[in-house]
Amino acid sequence: DAGITQSPRHKVTETGTPVTLRCHQTENHRYMYWYRQDPGHGLRLIHYSYGVKDTDKGEVSDGYSVSRSKTEDFLLTLESATSSQTSVYFCAISLDSSYEQYFGPGTRLTVT
Amino acid sequence: QQPVQSPQAVILREGEDAVINCSSSKALYSVHWYRQKHGEAPVFLMILLKGGEQKGHEKISASFNEKKQQSSLYLTASQLSYSGTYFCGTEGTGAGSYQLTFGKGTKLSVIP
Repeated sequence: DAGITQSPRHKVTETGTPVTLRCHQTENHRYMYWYRQDPGHGLRLIHYSYGVKDTDKGEVSDGYSVSRSKTEDFLLTLESATSSQTSVYFCAISLDSSYEQYFGPGTRLTVT
Repeated sequence: QQPVQSPQAVILREGEDAVINCSSSKALYSVHWYRQKHGEAPVFLMILLKGGEQKGHEKISASFNEKKQQSSLYLTASQLSYSGTYFCGTEGTGAGSYQLTFGKGTKLSVIP
């Protein structure tokens, strides 16, 4: 299994509070991704990174920001959480852009 | 544009074959296939690249029709372990297409 961990694995937070999710890899893969998964929508890309300090938006980036200061860590921040951001968040890594992606175990976030 | 998968759900008996289709409205560079079991992370199955290169999995094969922007996943002699939701992810050929867009998934249930 690819060495990917996500923390926390579960979180309950209140509307309006900031939340940061962490993805950590030990594979030295160049690309890292954040997805959210909601019933009926499949996986939707929030942001991705193609190197340290190199990030770009995905299809559902509004309300989210990311940072990557080290190859192994990719952080997803919800500046002010809303109930619509209740979801399961998956981090993924890949060696390069057209290579297979390996997914972390996911973080279940509930915003009340 | 999110690719369209069909069928949305299928039930098979062990040993039967299944085909899952993925169709996109944009020109594609690659198609990825993943399987996700309930409560788990998606797992890579197959990648098909423009030009015909294919990397895959025994007993599971796939095709990629570049002209029609379509891919099909073939599951032969299904086993109980094949149960799960199958997602296709498509990568476009346009500039900056470093991301996958996933379909909504096909739920496959294999029964004894």
